[in-house]
Amino acid sequence: GIQVEQSPPDLILQEGANSTLRCNFSDSVNNLQWFHQNPWGQLINLFYIPSGTKQNGRLSATTVATERYSLLYISSSQTTDSGVYFCAVEGDFGNEKLTFGTGTRLTIIP
Amino acid sequence: DAGVTQSPTHLIKTRGQHVTLRCSPISGHKSVSWYQQVLGQGPQFIFQYYEKEERGRGNFPDRFSARQFPNYSSELNVNALLLGDSALYLCASGGEGPSTDTQYFGPGTRLTVL
Repeated sequence: GIQVEQSPPDLILQEGANSTLRCNFSDSVNNLQWFHQNPWGQLINLFYIPSGTKQNGRLSATTVATERYSLLYISSSQTTDSGVYFCAVEGDFGNEKLTFGTGTRLTIIP
Repeated sequence: DAGVTQSPTHLIKTRGQHVTLRCSPISGHKSVSWYQQVLGQGPQFIFQYYEKEERGRGNFPDRFSARQFPNYSSELNVNALLLGDSALYLCASGGEGPSTDTQYFGPGTRLTVL
């Protein structure tokens, strides 16, 4: 099946800093989503981005499908950005499941 | 509109018992998927249902089963519980079609098996 790798595994930053999270995937995809999992376990949709670039406030994402990677940018980090960020993909052959990466744990220090 | 709801929020069972977890999708959504998240890992796909039919199944034993009802809500059943079944069980609601599209997750049910 499709493999999804995320880097870095852990990231500790001061409030106000910017960060870039990366997601590499092993095959072509027709669905890619970024999620933020808060400390209570809730997975919150950030972006649906199988290709191209999107922005939502301080967050933006870019997926280069031909090179099989996606980037999540967080600017001017706030303590509420802390948590685990997951990238999840659906393979191009449409097996109708999301395969999640191992996640990046982001900690924002005041 | 209400988001995806799951019940119960927490559950403690002993080995060998059976458990039923429930999920109600976002109104208008016809697809429901179940995921298991073990501590420290990403969620793993268990099942997807669309229009009451199983559309996909992950690599889980037959002790795991699910169904979808005419109102599109869903149940996940796990028989003969093992310690390794302790996890956060997440339900995701999709759009009106069978493809994954944008998935919206519920708050999860945290299952502890003693």
